[in-house]
Amino acid sequence: QVQLQESGPGLVKPSQTLSLNCRVSGDSISGSGHYWTWIRQHPGKGLEWIGHIYYSGRTSYNPSLESRLTISVDMSKNQFSLKLSSMTAADTAVYYCATDRHYYDGSGYYYYFDYWGQGTLVTVSS
Amino acid sequence: EIVLTQSPGTLSLSPGERATLSCRPSQSVSSNYLAWYQQKPGQAPRLLIYGASSRATGIPDRFSGSGSGTDFTLTISRLEPEDFAVYYCQQYGNSPLYTFGQGTKLEIK
Repeated sequence: QVQLQESGPGLVKPSQTLSLNCRVSGDSISGSGHYWTWIRQHPGKGLEWIGHIYYSGRTSYNPSLESRLTISVDMSKNQFSLKLSSMTAADTAVYYCATDRHYYDGSGYYYYFDYWGQGTLVTVSS
Repeated sequence: EIVLTQSPGTLSLSPGERATLSCRPSQSVSSNYLAWYQQKPGQAPRLLIYGASSRATGIPDRFSGSGSGTDFTLTISRLEPEDFAVYYCQQYGNSPLYTFGQGTKLEIK
């Protein structure tokens, strides 16, 4: 059973950089063949995809966040990380990490998020 | 960007009834690229359906998905008390790679 656990500060000051980690257990970041993704949810709102990374370091980001975003992977710790700079109140949200499955069944690819962390609330406030 | 419009915003039904939730992409989406999630308060979303109609592991068969192109549906055949939650559709496509619908809240009538 794959488990993901986010960790990081619950409170960030405006203009600071948010750093979150997602530790993976029950699967190998480098051996599983799928991507690792960050998703956030503003309070009482819907879900927003932030970006993902492959173990090789290949990334794809949401253009709305790309200029402030870095996602990296640490295979020695079996975890991946998010850094989001120049935080504002608009970045207050629950941040989730998840497995980003690119499943091929022989005839086509399917794309979905099948395992999620429990989420961590990040509040931006002075 | 592909926008997913879910309807209704809120659906009020009783246990035992049938629920039909709609997801309409702003442009055609491959069926392979459409998934559905359930989210309960204080919890992470849970994958229900991928590829528009394939149930994820452990999902009861009262949940079914259908549709293609610009019209997708999630159906819950007979509502159980634990099914009352918020449901999101999600697509894989162009930039950004993934987008979600705004959600349908399924509440007890």
